[in-house]
Amino acid sequence: DAGVIQSPRHEVTEMGQEVTLRCKPISGHDYLFWYRQTMMRGLELLIYFNNNVPIDDSGMPEDRFSAKMPNASFSTLKIQPSEPRDSAVYFCASTLAEGTEAFFGQGTRLTVV
Amino acid sequence: GESVGLHLPTLSVQEGDNSIINCAYSNSASDYFIWYKQESGKGPQFIIDIRSNMDKRQGQRVTVLLNKTVKHLSLQIAATQPGDSAVYFCAETPTTLSGGYNKLIFGAGTRLAVHP
Repeated sequence: DAGVIQSPRHEVTEMGQEVTLRCKPISGHDYLFWYRQTMMRGLELLIYFNNNVPIDDSGMPEDRFSAKMPNASFSTLKIQPSEPRDSAVYFCASTLAEGTEAFFGQGTRLTVV
Repeated sequence: GESVGLHLPTLSVQEGDNSIINCAYSNSASDYFIWYKQESGKGPQFIIDIRSNMDKRQGQRVTVLLNKTVKHLSLQIAATQPGDSAVYFCAETPTTLSGGYNKLIFGAGTRLAVHP
């Protein structure tokens, strides 16, 4: 398996624009996580899914952020409208089952100018 | 740039020495712990894990120790190499009341700098 695949690797956008980040988890993994990493706050969990169903979205900063998982092999994190403070590296991770290691993608570095 | 941010503690070691990275976790209900290594420009990479029914687990050149009494986790790296230079994170998984899986929560991280 190629691991968790995220796209794009880098995204530069203007404030106010919509941004969509994409993730393909490892095949067969039941859990998918979206994290945000910044110097200010470290690695923050935004939302996670189990079997495509959102379980906990308490980490989503505000209504401008939304995440979907239409099927077991694809998830998106959308920011609309984007703001400069959303600039960060966004990671997607997946795990096989409860209480097992999470495998991370390479991340998407988002810069909002 | 940002004027206030995470000031990661840094551990500097000589190549060949042993390294010990410490982590205090927050939730006494956590029952699964993982150490991750993150190199610049990459995602966190799994190193070793331990469950709460154990107090020690060994891997290749790495050992994790768990002290549930004081909610402390440590990662020991033997014969540290330049390739070990990275940021190391501990992560915990609190269980739900029903015993189910909960979210993986990361600590702030420690930067390990290995000098030749």
